Amino acid sequence: QPALTQPASVSGSPGQSITISCTGTDSDIGIFNSVSWYRQDADAAPKLLISDVNRPSGVSDRFASSTSGNTASLTISGLQADDEAEYFCGSYGSGTTHYVFGTGTRVTVL
Amino acid sequence: QITLKESGPTLVKPTQTLTLTCSFSGFSLSTREVGVAWIRQPPGKALEWLALIYWDDDKRYSPSLRTRLTITKDSSRDQVVLTMTNMDPTDTATYFCAHRRAAWTGTFYFDHWGQGTRVTVAS
Repeated sequence: QPALTQPASVSGSPGQSITISCTGTDSDIGIFNSVSWYRQDADAAPKLLISDVNRPSGVSDRFASSTSGNTASLTISGLQADDEAEYFCGSYGSGTTHYVFGTGTRVTVL
Repeated sequence: QITLKESGPTLVKPTQTLTLTCSFSGFSLSTREVGVAWIRQPPGKALEWLALIYWDDDKRYSPSLRTRLTITKDSSRDQVVLTMTNMDPTDTATYFCAHRRAAWTGTFYFDHWGQGTRVTVAS
């Protein structure tokens, strides 16, 4: 099943901003302009970070999402050591692919 | 408070059928727009959506695995069951169930996840 494409790793220094891209197709991100982001710490279950552009209660406003065409982006501003984790995007898909996840991005704080 | 918990065997042999149960609380699968999904993650790899069942018993499957998967619900017991036939070592993964929530865009996302259950396929 085709996955959304993310960079394998992104790194930044404390206080910096980083952006994680998530590239899909006209059948998923491009058709609905709707992407969710999930954070996964080591040996833990994923947690919802952002749904469309909305953050669940308790999620810092340092996390922001946007979409343009077939690509979505997650921006983490004011990078903190605690932001180190794996981040996955996810999108509803049309046709037979009902939902698809991204390939995952490991965020490292230098 | 929504919670989900997966249960099932930790070890299955190749060609066997895997049966996993997701027991949940804090919501009803009889409520409109509600759904429960199964998602897996091989060690060190990405998440893979497997199947989703809706409140109205509509079922959706991953195209690449649909011939091997069956998802069912028991709303009275607050459980969702996933069966996967003809297991292979490449199916070794942590299997998660998750609550599906509708988004205002007409799409959806997974806002609550179980802790996951590790399944190893080996003889």
